[in-house]
Parts: sequence; C-alpha cells; structure tokens
Amino acid sequence: QVQLVQSGAEVKKPGASVKVSCKSSGYTFTSYGINWVRQAPGQGLEWMGWISTYNGNTDYAPKLQGRVTMTTDTSANTAYMELRSLRSDDTAVYYCAREVDLLDGNWFDSWGQGTLVTVSS
Amino acid sequence: DIVMTQSPLSLPVTPGEPASISCRSSQSLQRSNGYKYLDWYLQKPGQSPQLLIYLGSNRASGVPDRFSGSGSGTDFTLKISRVEAEDVGVYYCKQSLQTPITFGQGTRLEIK
Repeated sequence: QVQLVQSGAEVKKPGASVKVSCKSSGYTFTSYGINWVRQAPGQGLEWMGWISTYNGNTDYAPKLQGRVTMTTDTSANTAYMELRSLRSDDTAVYYCAREVDLLDGNWFDSWGQGTLVTVSS
Repeated sequence: DIVMTQSPLSLPVTPGEPASISCRSSQSLQRSNGYKYLDWYLQKPGQSPQLLIYLGSNRASGVPDRFSGSGSGTDFTLKISRVEAEDVGVYYCKQSLQTPITFGQGTRLEIK
C-alpha cells in the first residue's frame, strides 16, 4: 500500500534551518509529484510548494520563496523540504502529500504522518 | 491568489442527520473543459488530512457514498447524507486551478 513516512520532530532556534524528509513506498516514486503543506498550531492548512519527482521542477508559494528548497533523491524514493531562516511563526506540523496530476488538476491522495517543527529560543 | 471561504466554520450535527458545508472561491474554478478544480479533505482529530472528493464531485477510493460533492463556478458544497460519529473532524476545501494552491479555513463538524 502507498505510504509516506516522514522524519521525526525537530526543535530549532530562530535563524536556523530545518530539513524534513518524506520516504515513499508502495508505488513508483517518479510517477507522482510531492507537495508540502504545513499547519500552525490550531490553524488551517497552508500549501508550501510542489516538486516533480520526475525532473525536479519546483513551484513554491510566493511567501516562502527564497527560504524554502524542495529536493528529491529518486534512488531512495525520498523527498525533502528545507526551510531556512526559521522564525517563531514557522512553528507548525509539516506534511508531505502525494499528488495525482490528471486533467490539468491535482489532488492529494496520500499524506505523510506529519513532522512537528518547533522554533523557539 | 484565489481566496477560499467556507461556511459554516462550526457545524454541530445529530447522528443520522444530514450535513452540508459550503465553499466559495474568489474566482471560478471551472475550466472550459468542464472540470472543476475543487477538492475536499477531512482531517480527523490527531490525524493527517485525507482526500474525500476530487474534481468537485468524484469520491476518492474508499470514501463512503454518504459523502457527495457538487457545485460549479465559484460555489461548491459537500454533503453528508447521514452523519456518523466517525465523521467528526475539520473539513477543508482546496482549489487546484492555479498556484499558489489555497485551502478554505476549515469547518469543524462535531456530534451533538
């Protein structure tokens, strides 16, 4: 079955960087893109960006442009999301989600378990 | 950016009764091909979100048929024909017409 397993919780100081991994199994990794979505405590869902697992193309949310980098290691069926210059309002649960890309649309049919990133001095 | 607005934000429902959630977008989510780029997700307490409905009205694999999606243009609705206890959680609509992808604020369904 399709599984996305994320790395464990992180605690970082303001100004530091964090890199979250998302290991996929149960399907052909390069056939589906990966999106990253975050959720601040008690808040809704915020899309961070997308990466093509086929060719590495990316599309980032404008508010995170310049601070976020998404990459993949196809040999390990793993996607990564790095966020730099962390601030307290980056404290959130970060999710990876597999994207089905059909008919010019995309929907997220499988999600990782989430990784809590806490930014605190 | 496309703004997604859900209502109500809180929805208490008696088990066995129907429920309806509205999602409105700041611009049409329907293309000339007729497809509607609107999905629905449910985040149960303590869990990751899960896909319920894609392209406006298509149930995802394994989703009970008491869930249905409808609508067009800028107005969409998620309906639950008979609410069960396991339906508790926060429901989100999401547009995939263009990036940045945006979600509604969420509607919290609770059992009365």
